[in-house]
Amino acid sequence: EAGVAQSPRYKIIEKRQSVAFWCNPISGHATLYWYQQILGQGPKLLIQFQNNGVVDDSQLPKDRFSAERLKGVDSTLKIQPAKLEDSAVYLCASSLVSGGYEQYFGPGTRLTVT
Amino acid sequence: KQEVTQIPAALSVPEGENLVLNCSFTDSAIYNLQWFRQDPGKGLTSLLLIQSSQREQTSGRLNASLDKSSGRSTLYIAASQPGDSATYLCAVKTGANNLFFGTGTRLTVIP
Repeated sequence: EAGVAQSPRYKIIEKRQSVAFWCNPISGHATLYWYQQILGQGPKLLIQFQNNGVVDDSQLPKDRFSAERLKGVDSTLKIQPAKLEDSAVYLCASSLVSGGYEQYFGPGTRLTVT
Repeated sequence: KQEVTQIPAALSVPEGENLVLNCSFTDSAIYNLQWFRQDPGKGLTSLLLIQSSQREQTSGRLNASLDKSSGRSTLYIAASQPGDSATYLCAVKTGANNLFFGTGTRLTVIP
């Protein structure tokens, strides 16, 4: 079975610019997660979707970050405007449903803000 | 708030040695605990998942244990190989939502 797909793999932008990341979860997985991993740290959850509804976005900086999963499949994460501290790897994961089910991660998008 | 700590932060061992990675968490009310491997510039690969009702899981040369009451888990790697070199992350799942990750242990296996 195909894994979680993400694009682009790398992105370099200047501060105050906008950027968007795309994620396609494993087929049939209802739950989708976006994580931010700053260098030297563990991933931190930004937002969790159950189908096309938001379950948890308590750690999403909503003044600059937004995410959507309109049809309950693909998802996009946007940053507008970017700051230097947004430089990180953005990981997308999916699971069959939420709860005790295993999460499967994509390769991530490495963002560098200069 | 759940906090996850991994010790040591980095570890170098000669090939063939058995080793143990440690993970501790502050809130014992967890759904499960998961061990991941992360290679440089790559995403996370799930190694083992232990449900809260389980004590251990094994996969090949890997064995993970869970002591929920004391808030501890260990990942045992037998007969280490250079290909095992990577960062190992543990994460606990609380409630129905997200994973709380440790900062990882960077393992280097020297040929």
